[in-house]
Amino acid sequence: GAVVSQHPSRVICKSGTSVKIECRSLDFQATTMFWYRQFPKQSLMLMATSNEGSKATYEQGVEKDKFLINHASLTLSTLTVTSAHPEDSSFYICSAPSRASGTADTQYFGPGTRLTVL
Amino acid sequence: SQQGEEDPQALSIQEGENATMNCSYKTSINNLQWYRQNSGRGLVHLILIRSNEREKHSGRLRVTLDTSKKSSSLLITASRAADTASYFCATDGDDMRFGAGTRLTVKP
Repeated sequence: GAVVSQHPSRVICKSGTSVKIECRSLDFQATTMFWYRQFPKQSLMLMATSNEGSKATYEQGVEKDKFLINHASLTLSTLTVTSAHPEDSSFYICSAPSRASGTADTQYFGPGTRLTVL
Repeated sequence: SQQGEEDPQALSIQEGENATMNCSYKTSINNLQWYRQNSGRGLVHLILIRSNEREKHSGRLRVTLDTSKKSSSLLITASRAADTASYFCATDGDDMRFGAGTRLTVKP
């Protein structure tokens, strides 16, 4: 079945640095990918919709300049947390829909990236 | 890797009927959450049930949790065409894990 990978799975960085997280659809093309973040013991929050070849659509309250999204190809979307601060520490997860011929979309989730900003 | 597994994978009912979806998981959890997703859109959080809770209600939604069986169910009562969507459960042990979802179609 379809697989979505994320890299890295865990990252620890110093405050002020930028961190790039990759989301790849391994055996299907994804014109759209979704980025979420989750704080400990809380629900997942949609951050943005990544669109191949065009600008991402950000949810209200999500800073575009803080969370840069680039959907450079049909199999890769990247989320860059710029000038990371401790409050950006979170679990980031991506998902991508895959549509088999004649059926509705099936959503596939990446394994997530645990970001810790010191 | 995905831990939660929903069943059925697809469910088609008539408007007004109840829809029940199940979720099974493998490891111990802090809480379990249900989400819905309309085609082409991101996930929307529906309800969270903690590991020490057995049942929770929110409007037409009823969620049960059986930690001994490592399973949860989502019941949507008096379904509407607008409930047509995919429904996912997610467990929050160390990190959040999602199942593959149940695709619900409610026919008007």
